[in-house]
Amino acid sequence: EDQVTQSPEALRLQEGESSSLNCSYTVSGLRGLFWYRQDPGKGPEFLFTLYSAGEEKEKERLKATLTKKESFLHITAPKPEDSATYLCAVIRGAGGSQGNLIFGKGTKLSVKP
Amino acid sequence: DTEVTQTPKHLVMGMTNKKSLKCEQHMGHRAMYWYKQKAKKPPELMFVYSYEKLSINESVPSRFSPECPNSSLLNLHLHALQPEDSALYLCASSGVSANEKLFFGSGTQLSVL
Repeated sequence: EDQVTQSPEALRLQEGESSSLNCSYTVSGLRGLFWYRQDPGKGPEFLFTLYSAGEEKEKERLKATLTKKESFLHITAPKPEDSATYLCAVIRGAGGSQGNLIFGKGTKLSVKP
Repeated sequence: DTEVTQTPKHLVMGMTNKKSLKCEQHMGHRAMYWYKQKAKKPPELMFVYSYEKLSINESVPSRFSPECPNSSLLNLHLHALQPEDSALYLCASSGVSANEKLFFGSGTQLSVL
């Protein structure tokens, strides 16, 4: 069964304290792994798409990496404005159509000044 | 323009009311989606439209009725909802390839009394 598991559920960091969020997945034939950021009461905001093991993408203080079993979202020197829930999602199944995403439960990140 | 616009932002309705949620995008996307998100849970897919035709209905109760009048607009008609239907309703759009990223709107926060 296709599955996405994110850890930890919640992470509290001090401003400037770097860390990583984990997304492990089991899916038959990965066709894309997505990272989104979601602020309370808002829709998810796209961050990255990763397609193959070894791929890395960066945006400001965020860097996403992908292996055959998991993805990491590294946050370097975070600021309070990075506080949000970070969602990981994969495309469901080998025959899945567009939008057929499986989301993880998310990691709620809090960055204190 | 990379926005998906949803109206209204907030909606309170009784169980006998009929209301509609609206979604609009002008990115030329031919796939549009409705997701439902309960508090502290990931988004759950409800419906997918591809080229204005319903392509996925995730066994959603008939009290939710989607409509795609044209390639830019998506509606969700609500009738005889239950209190457990209270949630954040998210609209999204994307290109029609299976690995396209989704652009989400800010959502409609629905409360059913």
